Amino acid sequence: AQSVAQPEDQVNVAEGNPLTVKCTYSVSGNPYLFWYVQYPNRGLQFLLKYITGDNLVKGSYGFEAEFNKSQTSFHLKKPSALVSDSALYFCAVRAFSGAGSYQLTFGKGTKLSVIP
Amino acid sequence: DSGVTQTPKHLITATGQRVTLRCSPRSGDLSVYWYQQSLDQGLQFLIQYYNGEERAKGNILERFSAQQFPDLHSELNLSSLELGDSALYFCASSVGGGRGDTQYFGPGTRLTVL
Repeated sequence: AQSVAQPEDQVNVAEGNPLTVKCTYSVSGNPYLFWYVQYPNRGLQFLLKYITGDNLVKGSYGFEAEFNKSQTSFHLKKPSALVSDSALYFCAVRAFSGAGSYQLTFGKGTKLSVIP
Repeated sequence: DSGVTQTPKHLITATGQRVTLRCSPRSGDLSVYWYQQSLDQGLQFLIQYYNGEERAKGNILERFSAQQFPDLHSELNLSSLELGDSALYFCASSVGGGRGDTQYFGPGTRLTVL
């Protein structure tokens, strides 16, 4: 069965500094990986995904993520953090769950706080 | 705005009751997914429908059921409610049911069971 780990419950970063939110995964076969962001009292917003190809994936709002197969990681990054980036970030992996279906499995989430 | 709508936004009910949550997918999307988000369990996949047919089942309790109608909207029925069913319920939709398809989430329904 597939799984996703986000080792940090909370990440604090100063505004203007680079940020990294970590994610590691476990899946049989090739992973399809996703990042979502959730603002308070809102639904999840899609940021980016890795399907195949270039290991560096660029997404919305200046975010990017680096796929590393040997380390089974898919860390989310941004060169310069904004206060408005403060939110809950979820990493997810989609893998085969049987009978022709693919299930999206989420990590526990990482709360990002950007300090002015 | 993802284009996925969910009603109601909030629902307060008592233990033992039954409720129905409604979801309208983005225009053109054939797949609908239901998720439960709670503090202790995190985000859990419940069930997926594709063009009216059940496609995948996750951690959905027997007291819960769902369906997708010909106009592609979906309903999640929760019965014999317990305190532990209090959670945020999200609906998501995607164009197809493929592995690489992006799921777009609605704003959620917050269910409180008293």
